[in-house]
Amino acid sequence: DIVMTQSPLSLPVTPGEPASISCRSSQSLLHSNRLNYLDWYLQKPGQPPQLLIYLGSNRASGVPDRFSGSGSGTDFSLRISRVEAEDVGVYYCMQALQTPYSFGQGTNLEIK
Amino acid sequence: QVTLMQSGPALVKPTQTLTLTCAFSGFSFTTPGMRLGWIRQPPEKGLEWLARIDWDGDKLYSTSLKTRLTISKDPSKNQVVLTMTNMDPVDTATYYCARMGIESAGTAFDIWGPGTVVTVSS
Repeated sequence: DIVMTQSPLSLPVTPGEPASISCRSSQSLLHSNRLNYLDWYLQKPGQPPQLLIYLGSNRASGVPDRFSGSGSGTDFSLRISRVEAEDVGVYYCMQALQTPYSFGQGTNLEIK
Repeated sequence: QVTLMQSGPALVKPTQTLTLTCAFSGFSFTTPGMRLGWIRQPPEKGLEWLARIDWDGDKLYSTSLKTRLTISKDPSKNQVVLTMTNMDPVDTATYYCARMGIESAGTAFDIWGPGTVVTVSS
């Protein structure tokens, strides 16, 4: 099974400042079709997770362009260019290359 | 509008079987590439993927839970059902159904249900 490791686990950020979360997988997520099967989700307090990024760098419908995903193989990042108050919550990466799908531990973003 | 509505018991006793239903609307599950899955989240913990069923009937399960899980679909009712046998207090969690749609190339959970909070206790 593929193990996903996120860092940091806690991320205090001042509004308007950038933020970055790292996600590392125990195996390459690069498919033979040259796509990276890595997704990012945000779980706001009291809500189900919502999809932010799929296939490593594609923003889901309705996701603000301040969110961006990058990386390839085993190392990925989610970047928020300017954090807003509504961005608080827990961010998860998930590998979708093979089942069983697996999630990172989560990164709790809070506003300073 | 694509929606997923969940139903199931809030409380089950140890050793009982849990049955959860996910009723979907706004899309056809016969569309190639469509998938529906179940994910759970114990209180104050992270996400754990449980099972997936595809438009063509393929089924996949968590390695550690596959002997206890069964996922099925009822196209006539636009529903997907997950059963988990021999429930234990460690199975206490919020259970989510979620869709992997063609909009995300069938590779990400783009629509989530509201979740069903399940407590296992005698």
